[in-house]
Amino acid sequence: AQSVTQLDSQVPVFEEAPVELRCNYSSSVSVYLFWYVQYPNQGLQLLLKYLSGSTLVESINGFEAEFNKSQTSFHLRKPSVHISDTAEYFCAVSDSTGGYQKVTFGIGTKLQVIP
Amino acid sequence: DTAVSQTPKYLVTQMGNDKSIKCEQNLGHDTMYWYKQDSKKFLKIMFSYNNKELIINETVPNRFSPKSPDKAHLNLHINSLELGDSAVYFCASSQVSGGWETQYFGPGTRLLVL
Repeated sequence: AQSVTQLDSQVPVFEEAPVELRCNYSSSVSVYLFWYVQYPNQGLQLLLKYLSGSTLVESINGFEAEFNKSQTSFHLRKPSVHISDTAEYFCAVSDSTGGYQKVTFGIGTKLQVIP
Repeated sequence: DTAVSQTPKYLVTQMGNDKSIKCEQNLGHDTMYWYKQDSKKFLKIMFSYNNKELIINETVPNRFSPKSPDKAHLNLHINSLELGDSAVYFCASSQVSGGWETQYFGPGTRLLVL
């Protein structure tokens, strides 16, 4: 069984300040890790993913996440946030279940950027 | 151009009614999903179909019945709606490639049961 823990339900941060959204996971097998973003009244969109290789992965809009196997973490960071980053962020883990991928989502972290 | 579409976008109905939500994807994916997002934003998988075959069925009341007429469509029918069914329902699709997948989500259907 796999699980995802997002430690913060809400993170308020001033515009242009750095932010870190925390995510820890547990799984008995090798996993793939994802961050999804949900803007108000929209569906989820993939932000970035870790499959293998370099433990630091980046998105096109300045977010990055680092896979840390020893700490079972996949925290999301951005050095300087914008108002447009205000959204709900979901960490997710995926492994193979009977030959099919099953994705488990965390409860989400609401990022509130304050002007 | 919409990759994953859902209808209707909003659904307000009385307790005890039966309703359906439709989902279509034009990405050519083999796998489709239904998720339920509650008022606290918790996202939980309900069903998954691969090439019209049910592969994941989480603990969901049997009032919920998914139907996949072809691999581009996955509809969700709900019988005898209850207040607790109020939520946002998301359809998603994916294509496993090289052992991993990215899920593409629809815009959601906001269901309110009165």
